[in-house]
Amino acid sequence: DVKVTQSSRYLVKRTGEKVFLECVQDMDHENMFWYRQDPGLGLRLIYFSYDVKMKEKGDIPEGYSVSREKKERFSLILESASTNQTSMYLCASLPTTTGAETQYFGPGTRLLVL
Amino acid sequence: GNSVTQMEGPVTLSEEAFLTINCTYTATGYPSLFWYVQYPGEGLQLLLKATKADDKGSNKGFEATYRKETTSFHLEKGSVQVSDSAVYFCALSAGSMDSSYKLIFGSGTRLLVRP
Repeated sequence: DVKVTQSSRYLVKRTGEKVFLECVQDMDHENMFWYRQDPGLGLRLIYFSYDVKMKEKGDIPEGYSVSREKKERFSLILESASTNQTSMYLCASLPTTTGAETQYFGPGTRLLVL
Repeated sequence: GNSVTQMEGPVTLSEEAFLTINCTYTATGYPSLFWYVQYPGEGLQLLLKATKADDKGSNKGFEATYRKETTSFHLEKGSVQVSDSAVYFCALSAGSMDSSYKLIFGSGTRLLVRP
């Protein structure tokens, strides 16, 4: 089974702090994604990566950056956390195989910014 | 652009009732369609999918048919259980039209099943 893990289930940070959210997958998938989930808005794509050291902006990249130094790990960085970044963050991975469009999700990190 | 619209919740049903959660989409080309489920405190997991028109995805008693003529992918189950209580997300992937395989999600529908 594909396993996607996220470093924390719950996180509380203060405004202005630098925050790192880590995601690791164990199935050698090329593609990885970061979403945020907010009530009534569903999931919105922040950033994605289709290879090591490659990254692409999603629909809401402002205030975020990412890092992919190794294939299995994709980090989301909040350079200076703000209260409007309080949300649930979900990581996902996907192999690059024709027709294999099912993304596999981690359990999520619920971030509270005070 | 591509988008997904699904019915607002919460949907509250008694056990063994029939479930329908509506989902319609807007997309260019021929997207793949998905239903994901999120149980309390967990991430999303794939429930079912369909990759072309008239395909029917099914899993755990849930079904959805890809209807190109009505641009819909409604989720149905004949008899719900308390354990089906969760949030259900409809999503599409432009697939070959967009090699990133990004998923576009609906806003989610919370289902509450009472004993």
